[in-house]
Amino acid sequence: AQSVTQLDSQVPVFEEAPVELRCNYSSSVSVYLFWYVQYPNQGLQLLLKYLSGSTLVESINGFEAEFNKSQTSFHLRKPSVHISDTAEYFCALKTSYDKVIFGPGTSLSVIP
Amino acid sequence: DVKVTQSSRYLVKRTGEKVFLECVQDMDHENMFWYRQDPGLGLRLIYFSYDVKMKEKGDIPEGYSVSREKKERFSLILESASTNQTSMYLCASSWGGRIYNEQFFGPGTRLTVL
Repeated sequence: AQSVTQLDSQVPVFEEAPVELRCNYSSSVSVYLFWYVQYPNQGLQLLLKYLSGSTLVESINGFEAEFNKSQTSFHLRKPSVHISDTAEYFCALKTSYDKVIFGPGTSLSVIP
Repeated sequence: DVKVTQSSRYLVKRTGEKVFLECVQDMDHENMFWYRQDPGLGLRLIYFSYDVKMKEKGDIPEGYSVSREKKERFSLILESASTNQTSMYLCASSWGGRIYNEQFFGPGTRLTVL
């Protein structure tokens, strides 16, 4: 069975500090992996995705994630966070045709 | 910009009531989805639809039904609401096709069943 694990339910970090949000997955077949972000009182937005090719993918607002097949991980990183990065972050795995499995989410709180 | 709208941001209903949650997308997407979001559980798929009048059960369809009479509209129906259906409900849509297509989400409806 395919699954997504996000070990950290809450991550507090000071502004301008680096952050890593961990994601591990389980799948016996090739995968597509995603990070979605949910700002307060809003729906989810796609942050970045890994489909194939380069294992390092980047978003337009400074986040990056690295696909590691041997460790079955897709951790999200940012070298310096801003207050506006405070949000819920969901790692997700594509299974069959257009069906996606979401992890439980990690709440990132950026402290001024 | 793709826009997915949901009929209500907040809804309060009583146990046993029939509840309709409406979702409309303006991008002519083939696929539409209904999820519920609960703390610590992430998003769980209730139902999805690949085309008008087509529907497929997701992971937690019990207690729910759906309707898709027009391409742009996907309705979630709680036939007899129960307190354990208190949750945030998110609608999403995407293009069809065999490769992954980004899902676009609505703002959500927070449903409270008393």
